[in-house]
Amino acid sequence: QSALTQPASVSGSPGQSITISCTGTSSDVGTYNLVSWYQQHPGKAPKLMISEVSKRPSGVSNRFSGSKSDSTASLTISGLQAEDEADYYCCSYAGSSTYVIFGGGTKLTVL
Amino acid sequence: EVQLVESGGGLIQPGGSLRVSCAASGFSVSSNYMSWVRQAPGKGLEWVSVIYTGGGTYYADSVKGRFTISRDNSKNTLYLQMNSLRAEDTAVYYCARDLEDSGAVWGQGTTVTVSS
Repeated sequence: QSALTQPASVSGSPGQSITISCTGTSSDVGTYNLVSWYQQHPGKAPKLMISEVSKRPSGVSNRFSGSKSDSTASLTISGLQAEDEADYYCCSYAGSSTYVIFGGGTKLTVL
Repeated sequence: EVQLVESGGGLIQPGGSLRVSCAASGFSVSSNYMSWVRQAPGKGLEWVSVIYTGGGTYYADSVKGRFTISRDNSKNTLYLQMNSLRAEDTAVYYCARDLEDSGAVWGQGTTVTVSS
C-alpha cells in the first residue's frame, strides 16, 4: 500500500495555529478510528502525540488535538511554540496483514 | 517503567546477514503486538514487520522473504533477522509496541548500515 499523504512542510509564527492533514483511503483512515500522530525531533525517536484519532497521551500538551473526516485525519497545534518545530508523521491501522501505514511526514517550521 | 531497548546494529556488507534485538521491560512482548519500523537517512518512517500475540507474522513487501521477525518470551525480547541485506536497507531500526492504539511505545533505535 502507498504511504498516507501529508504536506511536505507547513509553517507558522509563535502563538498561531496550524493544521497538518493526512489523507488515506477507505482501506485505512476511512475505515478505522486508529490514526496516530508522532512528533520527531532530529536524531530522536518518534514521540506519540495523538492516538486513536483524538486521544492525547498523558504529558502531551493540550495545544495538540486530532480529528478525522472520511479518509482524512488532521493534527492541529494551537499557540505555536519554538519547541514544536519538528517533523510530524501520521500513522493508520490498515488491517491485519498490512498492519500500519505511515504518512510521508511534514516538516513544521516555527517562524 | 515500560521500556524498549534495541541493540545489534552495525556495519554490514551487501548480501550479508544481521540480527537486531529489542529487550522489553515493564510488559510482556507476548501480550502485545510488536513491530519493527525503520527510517532511512533523511527519509520518513516505514513499517517493516509485526508479530501478533497469537504468533502470526507479516512483512512489508520491501523485506518479504529476506527478514524474519521473532520473539523469545523467556527473555522478553523481540528480534529481527535480516538476510540478503541491500544498501537500501540502511536505516535506523526501531522496535515498537501496539502501534495501532494508545499503548504505543517506541525504543530509541539501532543503526544498520549496509555498505562495502
